[in-house]
Amino acid sequence: QVQLVQSGSELKKPGASVKVSCKASGYTFTSYAMNWVRQAPGQGLEWMGWINTNTGNPTYAQGFTGRFVFSLDTSVSTAYLQISSLKAEDTAVYYCARYGSGSYLHYWGQGTLVTVSS
Amino acid sequence: EIVMTQSPATLSVSPGERATLSCRASQSVSSNLAWYQQKPGQAPRLLIYGASTRATGIPARFSGSGSGTEFTLTISSLQSEDFAVYYCQQYNNWLSYTFGQGTKLEIK
Repeated sequence: QVQLVQSGSELKKPGASVKVSCKASGYTFTSYAMNWVRQAPGQGLEWMGWINTNTGNPTYAQGFTGRFVFSLDTSVSTAYLQISSLKAEDTAVYYCARYGSGSYLHYWGQGTLVTVSS
Repeated sequence: EIVMTQSPATLSVSPGERATLSCRASQSVSSNLAWYQQKPGQAPRLLIYGASTRATGIPARFSGSGSGTEFTLTISSLQSEDFAVYYCQQYNNWLSYTFGQGTKLEIK
């Protein structure tokens, strides 16, 4: 069965960087793109963008360019989200999510809470 | 960017009754519309894709309809486990998928 397992919660200071991982299993990793979704505390879902797991080419949504980087390690079927120059407003749960047969988000990781606080 | 607007923000319904949630797109998204359910502390769960196709394992009391700019999620007879937040998402433009702001379905 398809599983996306994300890394654990992170507590970071403003200005630091964080790297969240999403390990996939139960399917061929390079057959489906990986998306990232942000959810700030008490707020709705924000689509951050996706990465082509074949080519490594990322697509970033408006508002997620510059400090946000999607990457892959296909040898271990893992996608990564790196956020640099962290700000308090980056505090959120970050989800990875895989497409289904179309571009809807069929499978989700459990989420990783990133807290930015001095 | 396509803006998705959900209404109402909060819907209060009694168990056993029908709930109707709406989602409007600022421009046509054809049938490229999904609905997700999210409970506190959990990841979202896919309910409906292609505007009207239930995902695997989703009970038949959940149904989706609409195309273009107007969409509806109907839950025919609410069960206790259905009280949650529901989001619509358009995936018509691969450069920019967007979610609605969510509808909280609460027990009346």
